[in-house]
Amino acid sequence: EIVLTQSPGTLSLSPGERATLSCRASQSVSSSYLAWYKQSPGQAPRLLIYGASSRATGIPDRFSGSGSGTDFTLTISRLEPEDFAVYYCQQYGTSPRYTFGQGTKLEIK
Amino acid sequence: EVQLVESGGGLVQPGGSLRLSCAASGLTVSRNYMSWVRQAPGMGLEWVSVLYSDGSTYYADSVKGRFTISRDNSKNILYVQMNNLRTEDTAVYYCASGPRYYYDYWGPGTRVTVSS
Repeated sequence: EIVLTQSPGTLSLSPGERATLSCRASQSVSSSYLAWYKQSPGQAPRLLIYGASSRATGIPDRFSGSGSGTDFTLTISRLEPEDFAVYYCQQYGTSPRYTFGQGTKLEIK
Repeated sequence: EVQLVESGGGLVQPGGSLRLSCAASGLTVSRNYMSWVRQAPGMGLEWVSVLYSDGSTYYADSVKGRFTISRDNSKNILYVQMNNLRTEDTAVYYCASGPRYYYDYWGPGTRVTVSS
């Protein structure tokens, strides 16, 4: 079973700053199988990045994903007020089929 | 426009049963990979089950043998039958769809509370 560990647990930044969120897998993950989601309070998750680095439809280009193997990163180049939320990475595997990281809360400093 | 709308949540006693539904519009349930994902209060996301377009089904170990995922092609609805519910099944249950490896559509969720 692949475990995804996200860090930091909480990230405190100001609007306009750059955010770097990490997702580390316990075993190597195919880049095709790694996705990132944003969840605002009281809302369903929203797909941001799939295939480790491809932006989903309608996602601003300030969001970017990178990484391979066991280390993946979500970067938000210039934080907007609506970006403060919880972010999850997710991988597709064999058993279980899908695994989520525990989440990183991005809060306003 | 794709819409997924869950229903069927509520309060149930431990050991009880509940069936959740996910009505889809703008996509065909039988031709997509359809999953249930849940989120316990204050916690992260947990994958529960998936139904592939070829009819294959897979479950998280935590629900295997208790939950059954299915679909009604004529109504374009995804279901999950939840039996022998436990307090730890308390969560918001989301219906999600997408290509095999990720989810690009999510419903708003339905809340399930298991308590005596």
